[in-house]
Amino acid sequence: QVQLQQPGAELVKPGASVKLSCKASGYTFTSYWMHWVKQRPGQGLEWIGEINPSNGRTNYNEKFKSKATLTVDKSSSTAYMQLSSLTSEDSAVYYCAITTVVGYFDVWGAGTTVTVSS
Amino acid sequence: DIQMTQSPASLSASVGETVTITCRASENIYSYLAWYQQKQGKSPQLLVYNAKTLAEGVPSRFSGSGSGTQFSLKINSLQPEDFGSYYCQHHYGTPYTFGGGTKLEIK
Repeated sequence: QVQLQQPGAELVKPGASVKLSCKASGYTFTSYWMHWVKQRPGQGLEWIGEINPSNGRTNYNEKFKSKATLTVDKSSSTAYMQLSSLTSEDSAVYYCAITTVVGYFDVWGAGTTVTVSS
Repeated sequence: DIQMTQSPASLSASVGETVTITCRASENIYSYLAWYQQKQGKSPQLLVYNAKTLAEGVPSRFSGSGSGTQFSLKINSLQPEDFGSYYCQHHYGTPYTFGGGTKLEIK
């Protein structure tokens, strides 16, 4: 079945960067756009951006343009999101998700909890 | 960006009751609205898309309605497994935005 596998947690220091992964299985990786969504503790959901795995085309939420960089590795069916210059505001759960039909997220990864702390 | 406003922020209801959650968009999004359920410590799960189409496997006690700027999610005959948080999301172009969420507590 369609699955998106994400590491459970990352601990990073303020000012550093982190690269989160999302390994896809059970479908043709290049068929669907991959999205990333942020959820701060006890808060709602924020769409960060999307990437087309077939050609690498990206669309970002303006709010995250200077924070997040989305890439893919087609050979391993893995999507990545790099977050830079981390602060406590970046401590959150980050989900990857796909849209098999444009616009709504029908398959989600389990999320990676990023903790920014010295 | 399109703003999505959900109400109420929280509600408590008993098993067997019917509850309704509403979502308002800051501009016309036609029927491009989805609803998700999220349980504590888990990822969101798609319930409804295109305002009223149930996702695969979603029980028929869930129903979505509305168009334009006003939408609602109705849960008939609440079950214990229905507790959790509910979010609306517009899918009328990027950036996609979500409502602030409704936390449903089962009495």
